[in-house]
Amino acid sequence: ETGVTQSPTHLIKTRGQQVTLRCSSQSGHNTVSWYQQALGQGPQFIFQYYREEENGRGNFPPRFSGLQFPNYSSELNVNALELDDSALYLCASSPTSGGGNEQFFGPGTRLTVL
Amino acid sequence: AQSVTQLDSQVPVFEEAPVELRCNYSSSVSVYLFWYVQYPNQGLQLLLKYLSGSTLVESINGFEAEFNKSQTSFHLRKPSVHISDTAEYFCAVYSFSGGYNKLIFGAGTRLAVHP
Repeated sequence: ETGVTQSPTHLIKTRGQQVTLRCSSQSGHNTVSWYQQALGQGPQFIFQYYREEENGRGNFPPRFSGLQFPNYSSELNVNALELDDSALYLCASSPTSGGGNEQFFGPGTRLTVL
Repeated sequence: AQSVTQLDSQVPVFEEAPVELRCNYSSSVSVYLFWYVQYPNQGLQLLLKYLSGSTLVESINGFEAEFNKSQTSFHLRKPSVHISDTAEYFCAVYSFSGGYNKLIFGAGTRLAVHP
């Protein structure tokens, strides 16, 4: 069984650019959540996708957007990058959007904005 | 609103000594609680979880945590730590509302095990 994978591992961008991060969910999981982990902090919930629809969002501006594909893989897009967007971006998948189910995390993508 | 407070940002300890990492949560509903571990330059790995039942939960590598509803705590303990336990530890509470779930994390505790 393949776990959650993310690409790329590292990424360097400059302010104002756009970036796309990718996530492949664990086999059998239809729900993907994205988290932002700034240096020295705990992960913060960005949004969640369930069956190709965004079904929950944290306190992040609209320039953070996403997609989920029919195979349940997902993308996180960030437009107009700011220095504060530098962080580790974590993707997590779970078998359903219901309560109580464990979320399985990928290794993350480290984004640096210069 | 639910929240998680990890009371110590760093915990230094000598190898083979016991350790406790403290976590308090705030929630007005039934809680599911988790401890995740993050090794340097890696993602999060689930260490243990409390969903219901016995208030004492254990991991396969010797950690345990006790759910204490009256004190709203979920402290993580290990009786004897190893150098390999050096990592960042995150306590999290599961939030389910509006038809979706999310994890709310504490700020983390850095456990540094010294020889």
